[in-house]
Amino acid sequence: AQSVSQHNHHVILSEAASLELGCNYSYGGTVNLFWYVQYPGQHLQLLLKYFSGDPLVKGIKGFEAEFIKSKFSFNLRKPSVQWSDTAEYFCAVNVRAAGNKLTFGGGTRVLVKP
Amino acid sequence: DAGITQSPRHKVTETGTPVTLRCHQTENHRYMYWYRQDPGHGLRLIHYSYGVKDTDKGEVSDGYSVSRSKTEDFLLTLESATSSQTSVYFCAIKAGTNEKLFFGSGTQLSVL
Repeated sequence: AQSVSQHNHHVILSEAASLELGCNYSYGGTVNLFWYVQYPGQHLQLLLKYFSGDPLVKGIKGFEAEFIKSKFSFNLRKPSVQWSDTAEYFCAVNVRAAGNKLTFGGGTRVLVKP
Repeated sequence: DAGITQSPRHKVTETGTPVTLRCHQTENHRYMYWYRQDPGHGLRLIHYSYGVKDTDKGEVSDGYSVSRSKTEDFLLTLESATSSQTSVYFCAIKAGTNEKLFFGSGTQLSVL
């Protein structure tokens, strides 16, 4: 079965700092990749997704992610964070050959200090 | 929110009691999912449904059952709740063909 690993459980940084969150998955076949965000007290929302094509995908709120197939990675980045980016971020993978089940990583809590 | 409603929003119950959580959608989507969210584990799939009376197990299905007798409702039942089932439960639906999931607002369940 596929698995998803997020390297950092907690990240604390100051406003205007750059953010990079790591995500690795274990399946070698064709995958769809997602980053979801959960703001405090809210449900999950989609930040961005990758299905095919350009491996650098841009999402909402200035986030982007790069799919590196050789490294089984899909890292999330934002050049300059804001206090409002404080949230929990989840990487998720859907293996196309395995039906419609989405596997999530353990999440990374990001705290942006004003 | 893609027309998803979860009920109840909060529930406190005792060990050994049955509990049913309801997920209701208004847009006739075929795929519905139940996840639980726990610190350090992210979201883990409990069960999912790909149509009326068509369900399948996820990675943490033990202790849970589901039913989908109508397109719009997907019920999650804990036959005999245990403290390890204290969690936040999210329902999700898959809208369209782009694999995107929309999540409900969650149910906070505490089993004492």
